[in-house]
Amino acid sequence: AQTVTQSQPEMSVQEAETVTLSCTYDTSENNYYLFWYKQPPSRQMILVIRQEAYKQQNATENRFSVNFQKAAKSFSLKISDSQLGDTAMYFCAFMKQSGANSKLTFGKGITLSVRP
Amino acid sequence: DTGVSQDPRHKITKRGQNVTFRCDPISEHNRLYWYRQTLGQGPEFLTYFQNEAQLEKSRLLSDRFSAERPKGSFSTLEIQRTEQGDSAMYLCASTLSYSVDYGYTFGSGTRLTVV
Repeated sequence: AQTVTQSQPEMSVQEAETVTLSCTYDTSENNYYLFWYKQPPSRQMILVIRQEAYKQQNATENRFSVNFQKAAKSFSLKISDSQLGDTAMYFCAFMKQSGANSKLTFGKGITLSVRP
Repeated sequence: DTGVSQDPRHKITKRGQNVTFRCDPISEHNRLYWYRQTLGQGPEFLTYFQNEAQLEKSRLLSDRFSAERPKGSFSTLEIQRTEQGDSAMYLCASTLSYSVDYGYTFGSGTRLTVV
């Protein structure tokens, strides 16, 4: 079974600064996908960024980038130039490539507050 | 395309009552998932459908829970004889089976409070 660990329950960052959210996971699979989802207060969860485990290159989406370390089973999210709208819960999630159901296994999440 | 819709947004019920939630996925999506999110936790998988077929149920889905997707479009999740431990956010998500590894589109959830 897969597990996803987000050990930091809360973080705070000043607007326009950079923040890194940590995530580690455990799996015996070789091929899989990793995701970061954002859940703003009382709003739906949206996909921030996705990484394919077989790709060495770290994924980037505008101000969001990841540091994927496959051997260390680490998948951190870096948010550059933080904005007030980045305030949300952030969930790290894992999906097996080979699984027919393609269910997501989530971490507990981290609450990010961006201060003006 | 209005995304994934869930109804109601909030539900307060007395212990022992039955409740039913509805999810309307994105119209062309053939896969539909239900997750449960309790306070301070990440979402946990409950069940999923491909078209109208329910293909997997988590052990979290006790016999008091039943889910349907009768025509492969909307889905309902019913909880019978609710318990306080059922209080949670129930999330629905949908996707296309051939692009599932790109992640899902989630709805805003139904928050259930059992008093």
